[in-house]
Amino acid sequence: AQTVTQSQPEMSVQEAETVTLSCTYDTSESDYYLFWYKQPPSRQMILVIRQEAYKQQNATENRFSVNFQKAAKSFSLKISDSQLGDAAMYFCAYRSFGSGYALNFGKGTSLLVTP
Amino acid sequence: DAGVTQSPTHLIKTRGQHVTLRCSPISGHKSVSWYQQVLGQGPQFIFQYYEKEERGRGNFPDRFSARQFPNYSSELNVNALLLGDSALYLCASSPGQSVDYGYTFGSGTRLTVV
Repeated sequence: AQTVTQSQPEMSVQEAETVTLSCTYDTSESDYYLFWYKQPPSRQMILVIRQEAYKQQNATENRFSVNFQKAAKSFSLKISDSQLGDAAMYFCAYRSFGSGYALNFGKGTSLLVTP
Repeated sequence: DAGVTQSPTHLIKTRGQHVTLRCSPISGHKSVSWYQQVLGQGPQFIFQYYEKEERGRGNFPDRFSARQFPNYSSELNVNALLLGDSALYLCASSPGQSVDYGYTFGSGTRLTVV
């Protein structure tokens, strides 16, 4: 089974600054999908950004971008111009392309944004 | 448009009891998946249903079961509750079987087993 590792239990960033959250994964597959989800105190998981493994171009969604290093099996999330509303748990997730439709999540990183 | 709705939002059960959790997907979504999120962990996949059929099952005991109804809503049932079943149970819906464009999650049901 694929494993997803988020090595930073907690991160802190000042408003307007940039922060990078790390994620590594273990897989023998060549095609797969990677996701970052945000979970605020409201508990609802919200999709932040997704990346297809076959695409070399890193995905970008407004202030959120990823650094996808396929050979290193690394998928980090960069948040630019951090806002107070970005404070939440962030989960990295892996989805196998060929078999099954489940998402494998990491343990999450708690992001604190300070004024 | 209503999002994914789950009920109840919280409940407390006693060990050995049975519980039913409910989920209504976004209108037009035919797939519902269930996840268990223990405190301090990421969600773990329990089931996926698509067009009323089970299409995927995670590593959970047979005490866990689910079904999907003709209107695509879903129930998750857990029998013989254990203390370790205490968790946030998340439901997610998607238009088709694939989750390539991500699920839409509900806000979950917080289950406490005492």
